[in-house]
Amino acid sequence: AQSVTQLDSQVPVFEEAPVELRCNYSSSVSVYLFWYVQYPNQGLQLLLKYLSGSTLVESINGFEAEFNKSQTSFHLRKPSVHISDTAEYFCAVKSAGAGSYQLTFGKGTKLSVIP
Amino acid sequence: DSGVTQTPKHLITATGQRVTLRCSPRSGDLSVYWYQQSLDQGLQFLIQYYNGEERAKGNILERFSAQQFPDLHSELNLSSLELGDSALYFCASSPRPVVDTQYFGPGTRLTVL
Repeated sequence: AQSVTQLDSQVPVFEEAPVELRCNYSSSVSVYLFWYVQYPNQGLQLLLKYLSGSTLVESINGFEAEFNKSQTSFHLRKPSVHISDTAEYFCAVKSAGAGSYQLTFGKGTKLSVIP
Repeated sequence: DSGVTQTPKHLITATGQRVTLRCSPRSGDLSVYWYQQSLDQGLQFLIQYYNGEERAKGNILERFSAQQFPDLHSELNLSSLELGDSALYFCASSPRPVVDTQYFGPGTRLTVL
C-alpha cells in the first residue's frame, strides 16, 4: 500500500514569487508520481507526472517537480507564480507494478497567489 | 476539457434515498475509475472497471455499487444515503487498466439533507 503526505494544507505567496509545494510518499514498491491541479469548481487536471527516466519533470505552464527516491519526495516548484495559479494541488502515487490500478492522493495544498 | 463527462452536475436529496451518478469516459478509454472527494477524507478511490468488468475496489461502502455498460459508460449507485455521503464524486478514465494517466471528469456534487 502507498500513502502520500502533503505537508502544507495552505500556501499563500505573492505574485511573481517562487513557490514550492511539498509532497512525500511511502511505498514498498516502485511508484509512478503525479501532480494534479483543481481550479475552483472544476475537476482535476494532470499537471505533470514521473514514470521513469529523468527525475526532473516539467509542465507546459512553468511548474516542475523532481523525484527524489532517497527522500521519497516529489516536490512541486515554480520560479514565479501568477494569479491564475491559484488552485488546489494534489500529489498522487500509483504502484508501478502489475495489478495495481488506483491513484492514492494526498490531502491537497491550496495555493493562494496574492496580487 | 478532459473529454470525460459526468451527469448530473449537482444532486440534492434526502437521507435514506438512492441516487445514480453517470459517467461517460473519453472516446477510446476502456477503464473507468470512481473517486469520492470530501472535506474530511480527501480524495478516496472507490472502484474501477475495465471493459465492463470490475478490476479494483477501494474504500467503497456496501451501500454503494457501480457498473460499466457495453457502451463503456459507467454508473455509480448510492443507496440508503446518509449525511456523511455528501461529497464530490469524480469519474476518471484511462485507455487501459494499468496505465499512467487518468483523466478526470468535472464531478457530481451530492448533497444529502
